[in-house]
Amino acid sequence: GQQVMQIPQYQHVQEGEDFTTYCNSSTTLSNIQWYKQRPGGHPVFLIQLVKSGEVKKQKRLTFQFGEAKKNSSLHITATQTTDVGTYFCAGTPKGGSEKLVFGKGMKLTVNP
Amino acid sequence: GAVVSQHPSWVICKSGTSVKIECRSLDFQATTMFWYRQFPKQSLMLMATSNEGSKATYEQGVEKDKFLINHASLTLSTLTVTSAHPEDSSFYICSARDLQGVYQPQHFGDGTRLSIL
Repeated sequence: GQQVMQIPQYQHVQEGEDFTTYCNSSTTLSNIQWYKQRPGGHPVFLIQLVKSGEVKKQKRLTFQFGEAKKNSSLHITATQTTDVGTYFCAGTPKGGSEKLVFGKGMKLTVNP
Repeated sequence: GAVVSQHPSWVICKSGTSVKIECRSLDFQATTMFWYRQFPKQSLMLMATSNEGSKATYEQGVEKDKFLINHASLTLSTLTVTSAHPEDSSFYICSARDLQGVYQPQHFGDGTRLSIL
């Protein structure tokens, strides 16, 4: 079946460090969305990418959609303790139903 | 904007009880709502897609007679876990999309933690 994989599953960084996390789909996607879930909370929509090669920035977060629309990345610069949480990517398989296929998430912890 | 309210937040009940969970879109009309189940430290598993005024579409392996979904209005969907057993204990979370089309984000409720004794 259609799968969305996220690597790494866990990321522990020192405050102030930069890092990148990746999202790979087994099939071509119509779009990709990123969500953040804080500990004990619910997923919150961050951003959506639709176009091949699209890059969007939100302050210290940079999101990219691959040229083949099968992968995406999230790069965080100067990580802060407020960035702690689990980041999910979710994509809509092209030509399929409307439902989003979620990755397993990347849990970020930050050492102050 | 785009607030989704889910109630109750916590439920603890005896085995065999049926439990109803409500999901409301407070400031928008949701033509489509989704019900997910999330196991500890795992991702969101889609259980069913609920469209207003029509029958829900269940994912493979999800028992429709066990998990009854009703989406009677554009602002309310309910999930009833019938005759719940300990293996049904989990975190259930709903989301709503305010316009038709795949390019709309999903807005999530706070979730319901269900514990069956």
